[in-house]
Amino acid sequence: SAVISQKPSRDICQRGTSLTIQCQVDSQVTMMFWYRQQPGQSLTLIATANQGSEATYESGFVIDKFPISRPNLTFSTLTVSNMSPEDSSIYLCSVEDGQGRNGYTFGSGTRLTVV
Amino acid sequence: AQSVTQPDIHITVSEGASLELRCNYSYGATPYLFWYVQSPGQGLQLLLKYFSGDTLVQGIKGFEAEFKRSQSSFNLRKPSVHWSDAAEYFCAGANRGGGNKLTFGTGTQLKVEL
Repeated sequence: SAVISQKPSRDICQRGTSLTIQCQVDSQVTMMFWYRQQPGQSLTLIATANQGSEATYESGFVIDKFPISRPNLTFSTLTVSNMSPEDSSIYLCSVEDGQGRNGYTFGSGTRLTVV
Repeated sequence: AQSVTQPDIHITVSEGASLELRCNYSYGATPYLFWYVQSPGQGLQLLLKYFSGDTLVQGIKGFEAEFKRSQSSFNLRKPSVHWSDAAEYFCAGANRGGGNKLTFGTGTQLKVEL
């Protein structure tokens, strides 16, 4: 299965600033998924990132707040913009293995605290 | 809309006791189904998956799950729980075929009493 390197693993940021999270995959993948896990909650999909096209955002998430780049088939970034304490969460990237049949692999996550 | 439901938010079992975590799904067609575990401060680990065939699937760490189409369920079981099994467990589903998002249930927090 794919191996994902995600960084940073954690960060503490001032409100009003932005943080860019990177995910590097060891193989080429068509789609990458970005999730948010708020404290004590489940995972919620933010957006799906395809190489060569704009990301597709889920309801409640907008590009201005969570811009995503997907410059090639092994890399993607998620930016959390103009942060507020409500953005304090774990952010995870994910890819599917074997067109989903083998499961979905997740990065180790970025634990973000906004103060 | 597609959804995955985990009715139990918290479950406490004694070490050595059996465990069953419930999961129900609502999809137009039978989805791919997964169970993940998340230990405190750790990432998500895939326990097992179902996509077709045998409805009883075996996973890692001694876990198994049974797919029941008639009940739209995919419950996770373990015959004897170990203290190290204490964690958050997530059931998730995805439409068949490639390029589909994974939808998570709300999770079940498992506590193991020694």
